[in-house]
Amino acid sequence: KNQVEQSPQSLIILEGKNCTLQCNYTVSPFSNLRWYKQDTGRGPVSLTIMTFSENTKSNGRYTATLDADTKQSSLHITASQLSDSASYICVVSEKNRSNYKLTFGKGTLLTVNP
Amino acid sequence: SQTIHQWPATLVQPVGSPLSLECTVEGTSNPNLYWYRQAAGRGLQLLFYSVGIGQISSEVPQNLSASRPQDRQFILSSKKLLLSDSGFYLCAWSEGRRNTGELFFGEGSRLTVL
Repeated sequence: KNQVEQSPQSLIILEGKNCTLQCNYTVSPFSNLRWYKQDTGRGPVSLTIMTFSENTKSNGRYTATLDADTKQSSLHITASQLSDSASYICVVSEKNRSNYKLTFGKGTLLTVNP
Repeated sequence: SQTIHQWPATLVQPVGSPLSLECTVEGTSNPNLYWYRQAAGRGLQLLFYSVGIGQISSEVPQNLSASRPQDRQFILSSKKLLLSDSGFYLCAWSEGRRNTGELFFGEGSRLTVL
């Protein structure tokens, strides 16, 4: 059964500090992995996409890594801001012919305090 | 640019009443359309998806139904709501022809069934 496990479930940090969120998956065959940011009461928004051949990808203060061998990904947030407070969801795609099947993690709830 | 609109944003309904959530996409044609439900502390659950007008696939047996009367319109309905239907409903779209697996979400509809 395809699964995506995220850790920690929740995290509280002080503004300006760095943090790293983890995502482990068992999805196969792997197509790509995305990190989404979901503000409270809003729809998720894509931050990064990682394909099999990519190890690192940055989007501003967000840096995602992927180890396809160990089936692990991380999202590193640098110099956190209050606006980073949100749920971060890891989504892994499995490609079956022309269709994509997505498996969602439950998310990590990040709270950035002043 | 593409946009997705979802309404109403908030809905409070009594048990046994009907439901209609609407979603429209602009700026693209032949999109794949999705309805997800997000319960507190749980990941997104795919309810329905559609690859074309009148084509609806259901992922989970439930009290809800979906329809796609037009290419860029997706409707989630129920004839009689249950308490367990409460949750945060998200409409999403993805490219139909050049599907990369990326989902673009609406702002969500918070449904409370009393």
